[in-house]
Amino acid sequence: EPEVTQTPSHQVTQMGQEVILRCVPISNHLYFYWYRQILGQKVEFLVSFYNNEISEKSEIFDDQFSVERPDGSNFTLKIRSTKLEDSAMYFCASRTYRGSNEKLLFGSGTQLSVL
Amino acid sequence: EDKVVQSPLSLVVHEGDTVTLNCSYEVTNFRSLLWYKQEKKAPTFLFMLTSSGIEKKSGRLSSILDKKELFSILNITATQTGDSAIYLCAVVRGYGNKLVFGAGTILRVKS
Repeated sequence: EPEVTQTPSHQVTQMGQEVILRCVPISNHLYFYWYRQILGQKVEFLVSFYNNEISEKSEIFDDQFSVERPDGSNFTLKIRSTKLEDSAMYFCASRTYRGSNEKLLFGSGTQLSVL
Repeated sequence: EDKVVQSPLSLVVHEGDTVTLNCSYEVTNFRSLLWYKQEKKAPTFLFMLTSSGIEKKSGRLSSILDKKELFSILNITATQTGDSAIYLCAVVRGYGNKLVFGAGTILRVKS
């Protein structure tokens, strides 16, 4: 089955630094998402992206976060100035919409550690 | 506020046992309910349920949705150690189709 791929698998950064998390969604998918999971907590929605624009974002997704689909295949999440509390596993997900098929497929995640 | 509540929070069983995991929800603009299995990293898709009363089956796993009572169950029969994982329930809401996740049920199957 096609997969959503994410790089890097681990990212360690200093507080205040910028990080870019990369994702390659499945090629015929139209909707893209970022979720995160802080250790021991629920998976939380960050942002959804469709037709080259953000369609919905959560309260977590403040001005420090941005998303981009720079070249039609990659989908990136940028955190401009990382904080300790940004440490989490970040999951990219994508889906296609055909009738009622809304199955969301997740990448293997990027573990972000902010020191 | 949207809520997805899973129970139990954790469960330890022996190989061969049957388990039932529960998920109740209160969300606006419900569209569908999904079950995922999370082992080490990414949640892997198990089932998507949109209609009440129709059981979905995949091997030893099955799931059903009750849209009147707002809950779903995931059954695993003849459990194996490889079933040990966190089982996540998530509800798709609204036209943005974001998922609202429950906290998960940690299942440990002992040999």
